[in-house]
Formats: sequence, C-alpha cells, structure tokens
Amino acid sequence: NAGVMQNPRHLVRRRGQEARLRCSPMKGHSHVYWYRQLPEEGLKFMVYLQKENIIDESGMPKERFSAEFPKEGPSILRIQQVVRGDSAAYFCASSPTGTGRTDTQYFGPGTRLTVL
Amino acid sequence: DAKTTQPNSMESNEEEPVHLPCNHSTISGTDYIHWYRQLPSQGPEYVIHGLTSNVNNRMASLAIAEDRKSSTLILHRATLRDAAVYYCILLNAGGTSYGKLTFGQGTILTVHP
Repeated sequence: NAGVMQNPRHLVRRRGQEARLRCSPMKGHSHVYWYRQLPEEGLKFMVYLQKENIIDESGMPKERFSAEFPKEGPSILRIQQVVRGDSAAYFCASSPTGTGRTDTQYFGPGTRLTVL
Repeated sequence: DAKTTQPNSMESNEEEPVHLPCNHSTISGTDYIHWYRQLPSQGPEYVIHGLTSNVNNRMASLAIAEDRKSSTLILHRATLRDAAVYYCILLNAGGTSYGKLTFGQGTILTVHP
C-alpha cells in the first residue's frame, strides 16, 4: 500500500511564475490536508479538502493560492505569480475520514519550492 | 484550539528511555492528545494518541495525567533514528476544527551515540 505521494519533490520557479504541487493520497483516503513549513518555522495548516469540496481554507493566503481535489486525480495546490516569500516546504497529508478525534494523518515527503 | 507547551529541546543517549513532557492546562474534556514527530527533511509522522487512559503502541507509550493537564511521551529505548522534532497536539472531538493539526514549536530531541 503506497503512502502519500507528492510531486515534484523539488520545484524551482522564478518570481512571477506559477507553481503546481500535486498530492496523491493513500488508497482509500478521501480527505486531504495541505500544510506549509517556512524556513526555520513550524508547520502551518493551509487547507482541508474532501473530494470535489473545500471544507476549510482558513490557512490559505487570500491571494494567489488555490487548491482543488477533483473526483479523479490528485489534489493540486496552485500558487500563481510566486514571490520569494513562497519558498517553503509544502506537505500534504491524507486521512480516511475527517473526524479528527482519532484519525491519523499520513504525510507525504513534501515538495520543496524555491523561488529565485 | 487549546494550547500546548513543550520544552524547546531535550537530549538523550542511545538505548536509554526518553520522557518528553507536554503541558496542556486548558484542555477540554473532548480534546484528544496526539503526538507526531518530524525527522530531518521528512514529513511529519504519527506517533500515538490518547484521551484519558495511558496508551502503548510499537513506537512509544503515552502517559496522561489524571487531571489531563499534562502528558508524557515515552520512548523506551532511544535510537539514533528517533532524533526528530516531537509535536504534542490537541484535537477536539467536535466543533469545526475537523482534523487539522495545529503544530507548535515542538521539542527537538537529540540522541547521542
């Protein structure tokens, strides 16, 4: 049973370009979370999605960031017009349900975004 | 979300037990105590969770104080591969927090050979 997969593992973009980060949850998991870890800082929640629905995007920056989890295919975190401050590690996690009480979240290896 | 307090860092020797404390004095009756860890350059990894009773699994043990205002993660025999940042996180059983994890600064565990 493959774990959570993220690609690319490393992504380099120039300022103003778009970054697309992909996350394939574990088999059977329909709940996806995205977290961001800025250099020398802790992990911060960004968004929680179920298939075709955004449930909680309270941690997403108001502009340039969007996320989706279509019926088919991976979850995508999109960052438009990247700036140097977007340089960070972006982690995706999945869980079988979204109850939170006892649900374990399984994390992927992360995508390390560098903006030049 | 209720707040947790952990020491910034701890050190241990290989093969010795490690007790990682966490204070959560404002915990509510429906908050579960979860522990995750993050090894260098990796994503976080679930370790253990509990509500009221002490819990054991293959990775660690979780000791929860009777008043639930504190808990301790116990690694029975530390190995070099246990060197990581350990996070103590509270998850509410209800409300709108769903399963989103609120990470604090955690405890950096250093294991000496």
